[in-house]
Amino acid sequence: DTEVTQTPKHLVMGMTNKKSLKCEQHMGHRAMYWYKQKAKKPPELMFVYSYEKLSINESVPSRFSPECPNSSLLNLHLHALQPEDSALYLCASSQDVLGAPGELFFGEGSRLTVL
Amino acid sequence: EDKVVQSPLSLVVHEGDTVTLNCSYEVTNFRSLLWYKQEKKAPTFLFMLTSSGIEKKSGRLSSILDKKELFSILNITATQTGDSAIYLCAVEYGQNFVFGPGTRLSVLP
Repeated sequence: DTEVTQTPKHLVMGMTNKKSLKCEQHMGHRAMYWYKQKAKKPPELMFVYSYEKLSINESVPSRFSPECPNSSLLNLHLHALQPEDSALYLCASSQDVLGAPGELFFGEGSRLTVL
Repeated sequence: EDKVVQSPLSLVVHEGDTVTLNCSYEVTNFRSLLWYKQEKKAPTFLFMLTSSGIEKKSGRLSSILDKKELFSILNITATQTGDSAIYLCAVEYGQNFVFGPGTRLSVLP
């Protein structure tokens, strides 16, 4: 199984809603990532979890709240978002063996629209 | 500040042409350089490069890394319309992967 699975694929929400994006991998990877990608731009890192601990937060607003319940799952909780938060949210994972480089495996993304 | 730069940002060619895409980087604690192809959805992996001067090849695509000059190139020979996509270069350093802006390649029939 070399897949990273994201749900939902599409999400439309209002600015007062609370929703969550989910990500799952069963490759035994110990690092998981959330990236945000706007149209015609490269992915921008939001959060990195390494061994289920938050290791990087790229100054992301608190209306985005990540959670890593276990080594296979990564969630992104959304609350009080703004229309400019509309984007493709990509989850990714890598082996994260210290000192050894590793490929970043992407899920298909969750396309979020905030009305 | 760590950064990844790609050139050209946009390229239009005809089927059968050969293209060379460039990626240069300045990061600390370099671990690897990766090339991805992105069409409508998530990026798909092409190559991972860790050592200088060793060419990686997959069909019509090939790539090489120069760790002294801090750049990589991605070559596509005999281009096809299906090669039309954004090609992203990413550099792994520490626990982070940072992406360049991408090269948008359009291959015309």
